Amino acid sequence: ETGVTQSPTHLIKTRGQQVTLRCSSQSGHNTVSWYQQALGQGPQFIFQYYREEENGRGNFPPRFSGLQFPNYSSELNVNALELDDSALYLCASSLGTGETQYFGPGTRLLVL
Amino acid sequence: RKEVEQDPGPFNVPEGATVAFNCTYSNSASQSFFWYRQDCRKEPKLLMSVYSSGNEDGRFTAQLNRASQYISLLIRDSKLSDSATYLCVVTRQGGYNKLIFGAGTRLAVHP
Repeated sequence: ETGVTQSPTHLIKTRGQQVTLRCSSQSGHNTVSWYQQALGQGPQFIFQYYREEENGRGNFPPRFSGLQFPNYSSELNVNALELDDSALYLCASSLGTGETQYFGPGTRLLVL
Repeated sequence: RKEVEQDPGPFNVPEGATVAFNCTYSNSASQSFFWYRQDCRKEPKLLMSVYSSGNEDGRFTAQLNRASQYISLLIRDSKLSDSATYLCVVTRQGGYNKLIFGAGTRLAVHP
């Protein structure tokens, strides 16, 4: 196992609601990246956090936001949920911004 | 056009077969290259990095052709446990390491 944990494992929400997903990075890792994986697709980069600051962002709207805490754990928040937000959300931690990323088991979100 | 394109699959092969996956990438600024493996309903796991000189890890061989922007993965002597989706991944030079994934190719190895 990678030592990266995510919670919850599964979540069901309705359109318009808000959701917070959590990620605990591997010990010693200061960088967390978030990805969205729709069914049948590869993961798509949402954003990366390095030492509590956003360090890069993919092509996702502002209703996707994040946070990194002093212990390097991280949250992904999605506001105004849409049906297309249904996906597996993966976080990955790394020793630094250019180092190998280790993925957590993901949170499966279903928006009805 | 997607930045990383892979064979659509699925590939259905018998145990012991040799199977090859191909991948092309469109951005010549791509810097690092990987193959990840993803089991059904699990997270992606790094299988191997890919270098221009080619590299081998047991039954797995990866090749990179920068001129053609082409990456390959060869699996020899397929095992039932090799059944998974194989994701081709590139990164670009920049201030952060963003992994850019292909859609993946599914492999099913049968007895």
